[in-house]
Amino acid sequence: DTEVTQTPKHLVMGMTNKKSLKCEQHMGHRAMYWYKQKAKKPPELMFVYSYEKLSINESVPSRFSPECPNSSLLNLHLHALQPEDSALYLCASSHMGGGLSGNTIYFGEGSWLTVV
Amino acid sequence: DQQVKQNSPSLSVQEGRISILNCDYTNSMFDYFLWYKKYPAEGPTFLISISSIKDKNEDGRFTVFLNKSAKHLSLHIVPSQPGDSAVYFCAALYSGGGADGLTFGKGTHLIIQP
Repeated sequence: DTEVTQTPKHLVMGMTNKKSLKCEQHMGHRAMYWYKQKAKKPPELMFVYSYEKLSINESVPSRFSPECPNSSLLNLHLHALQPEDSALYLCASSHMGGGLSGNTIYFGEGSWLTVV
Repeated sequence: DQQVKQNSPSLSVQEGRISILNCDYTNSMFDYFLWYKKYPAEGPTFLISISSIKDKNEDGRFTVFLNKSAKHLSLHIVPSQPGDSAVYFCAALYSGGGADGLTFGKGTHLIIQP
């Protein structure tokens, strides 16, 4: 099973709203990621959590706030977003520690976010 | 500076023939390479990977070749099927860096024609 589950699949929010994207995996992966993807572009890394601790923040604006409540869950809290933040937000996970299976990153289906 | 390059934005191949997607990288630290397939409005689906200690990895219709000296890899799909029409992303990482995430190429849109 290589499943990463993301909810909601679609989200429309106003610029003053507060919402959250959720991600779950049960593969025992200890690294979890948030990526953002715009149309016709490759995914861009936003955040990495390693062993439930934030290890990489790619200079993401503070209106995006990640949270890792436990090793299976990853949230992305959204507040005061701008229309240009509309994109597909992808959660992913992987093992830690290298090796062929350890390095493969598995993606969820994504959450389509529209900011109006 | 683009560290992973897919120089063909699109590729059209006849059904049943071989599709060859190419990828070049510049960072010598990369030691693990992956190919993902992506349909519109969906997340990338992992297809196949290769470690830098190998030069070939095969899985069914998909074969990835790695030429370390040329810093080049390619994905071969044979025979190509209509369901293979999608955007294919090449990605690379350095396995010794912990969980650093992937560096993606810009993708190649593969179109399989009947």
